[in-house]
Amino acid sequence: EAAVTQSPRSKVAVTGGKVTLSCHQTNNHDYMYWYRQDTGHGLRLIHYSYVADSTEKGDIPDGYKASRPSQENFSLILELASLSQTAVYFCASSETYNNQAPLFGEGTRLSVL
Amino acid sequence: GDSVTQTEGLVTLTEGLPVMLNCTYQSTYSPFLFWYVQHLNEAPKLLLKSFTDNKRPEHQGFHATLHKSSSSFHLQKSSAQLSDSALYYCALSLNTGNYKYVFGAGTRLKVIA
Repeated sequence: EAAVTQSPRSKVAVTGGKVTLSCHQTNNHDYMYWYRQDTGHGLRLIHYSYVADSTEKGDIPDGYKASRPSQENFSLILELASLSQTAVYFCASSETYNNQAPLFGEGTRLSVL
Repeated sequence: GDSVTQTEGLVTLTEGLPVMLNCTYQSTYSPFLFWYVQHLNEAPKLLLKSFTDNKRPEHQGFHATLHKSSSSFHLQKSSAQLSDSALYYCALSLNTGNYKYVFGAGTRLKVIA
């Protein structure tokens, strides 16, 4: 069964600390995405990748880095976490056809204090 | 740029009444449109997507019609159920070979008895 798995599911971080969110997919999908969810803003794209060892900036990349070491794994890195990065983060993967909808993971709730 | 607009942040309905959630879009190309549903503390899940042959997609009693002339893809259901209470996202994929997905801000549907 197709799946996208995120870890951790929740995290509390301190301001200025480093945070790494991980995502693993078993779908053999080329594309992977990191979205941020905030009330009133919906889902906003942070970074995405269409091949291992390559990432692309999304619509709100500032303050975030991404890493795609293999087709299955995609990480989101906050080098210096800030209060404004408190949010729910979703990873997704999709096939390379425009009418294929992304499949989402269960999300990571990040609180920066 | 490409965008999706969902004008209602919150829709409150009495059980049994019809549902209509608005979605309009702007895109340079002819995008594919999607509706996602997200229940509390769960991942967004695909509800339905537009077809290339103008068929009307339907799922779980919901349907949506893509009107290219008015750039709309409104979600409808004839009779709301309590279990329909959730957050609904409209999204588009850029039909350009660049597999990015743009989401609206979301509409929270609350169905009351």
